[in-house]
Amino acid sequence: AQSVTQPDIHITVSEGASLELRCNYSYGATPYLFWYVQSPGQGLQLLLKYFSGDTLVQGIKGFEAEFKRSQSSFNLRKPSVHWSDAAEYFCAVGARAAGNKLTFGGGTRVLVKP
Amino acid sequence: NAGVTQTPKFRILKIGQSMTLQCTQDMNHNYMYWYRQDPGMGLKLIYYSVGAGITDKGEVPNGYNVSRSTTEDFPLRLELAAPSQTSVYFCASSYDGQPNTEAFFGQGTRLTVV
Repeated sequence: AQSVTQPDIHITVSEGASLELRCNYSYGATPYLFWYVQSPGQGLQLLLKYFSGDTLVQGIKGFEAEFKRSQSSFNLRKPSVHWSDAAEYFCAVGARAAGNKLTFGGGTRVLVKP
Repeated sequence: NAGVTQTPKFRILKIGQSMTLQCTQDMNHNYMYWYRQDPGMGLKLIYYSVGAGITDKGEVPNGYNVSRSTTEDFPLRLELAAPSQTSVYFCASSYDGQPNTEAFFGQGTRLTVV
């Protein structure tokens, strides 16, 4: 069965600093990987996704993620954080045969200091 | 374009009471999903539907029921509320079951059972 681990429950970063959120997955075949963001009181919004091809994918709001098969990782990065990036971030894995049912990690809550 | 709409946004139930969480989407999506979100646990799939009249269990279906009489609506029913069902519930939809198809999420229903 597929699984996703986000090792960091909370991360605090200063505005303007860089951000990296870790995600490790377990899946037997080539995974479909996603990062979602949940702003306070909101639903989940898709930031970016990876299926194949270039292992560095660009998303919305200036985020990018890199797929590393050898490390089973799909870490999310942003070079310069804005106060509006304070939110909870979820990594998820989907499987071709799973009917688009996603398996989510536990989430990482990001706090941005002024 | 409303997307995925959930009602109510908040609800407090007493143990043993029943309620229905409403979910409707206006994107003509075939697939719909119910997830629950518990702190530190990410989102867990409760039930999903691949089209009107077809539903199936997800990872954590016990204590819940669903129906899908129309393409637009996918209500989630709690028959005998228990404290363990205190959670945030998210409805989502996608056009099809392909993992590269984006799932759209509602804003969530925060349910407390006391």
